[in-house]
Amino acid sequence: KQEVTQIPAALSVPEGENLVLNCSFTDSAIYNLQWFRQDPGKGLTSLLLIQSSQREQTSGRLNASLDKSSGRSTLYIAASQPGDSATYLCAVSRVNDMRFGAGTRLTVKP
Amino acid sequence: KAGVTQTPRYLIKTRGQQVTLSCSPISGHRSVSWYQQTPGQGLQFLFEYFSETQRNKGNFPGRFSGRQFSNSRSEMNVSTLELGDSALYLCASSWSPTSGSVEQYFGPGTRLTVT
Repeated sequence: KQEVTQIPAALSVPEGENLVLNCSFTDSAIYNLQWFRQDPGKGLTSLLLIQSSQREQTSGRLNASLDKSSGRSTLYIAASQPGDSATYLCAVSRVNDMRFGAGTRLTVKP
Repeated sequence: KAGVTQTPRYLIKTRGQQVTLSCSPISGHRSVSWYQQTPGQGLQFLFEYFSETQRNKGNFPGRFSGRQFSNSRSEMNVSTLELGDSALYLCASSWSPTSGSVEQYFGPGTRLTVT
């Protein structure tokens, strides 16, 4: 059974700092890994999708990497801003099966 | 292109009642998945529909059911509500019959409170 873990559970950083969020999974037989952002009480916004054959994806200040063999992914956020404050979730997918981590709650202080 | 829409956004029900939630996927998407999100359990998969057929089901009791219509809109029903059913219910859509292989797009969710 696929288990997805995100560390840390919460993170507080000053504005402008670069930061890394971690996601680990137990079964490397995945189709893809997706990073989402969730604002309080809202739905999920897709940030980046990494296919199993890829090593990383970039979008603006965000960079996500995937190491399937070790069951790890990282989300790197450059030059953090207060607007980045949210919960970040990773999800790993196999055929018709998507498992989520519990998320990392990020606070960026002005 | 309009995103995934869910109605209603907020709902308050009492124990023992039943509730129906609705999800309209992105135009052209034929796969709809439902998830329950609670502070204690996080995001848990309920079920997935593709072309009006349930393709996959999570580990939830039979009180939770769903269906999909020919226009890909989906409904989720919970009967005999319990306090523990209070949660944010999210639906997601994708174009692929193998939803795990492509990006999923989520709606804003329906916040259900059971009193």
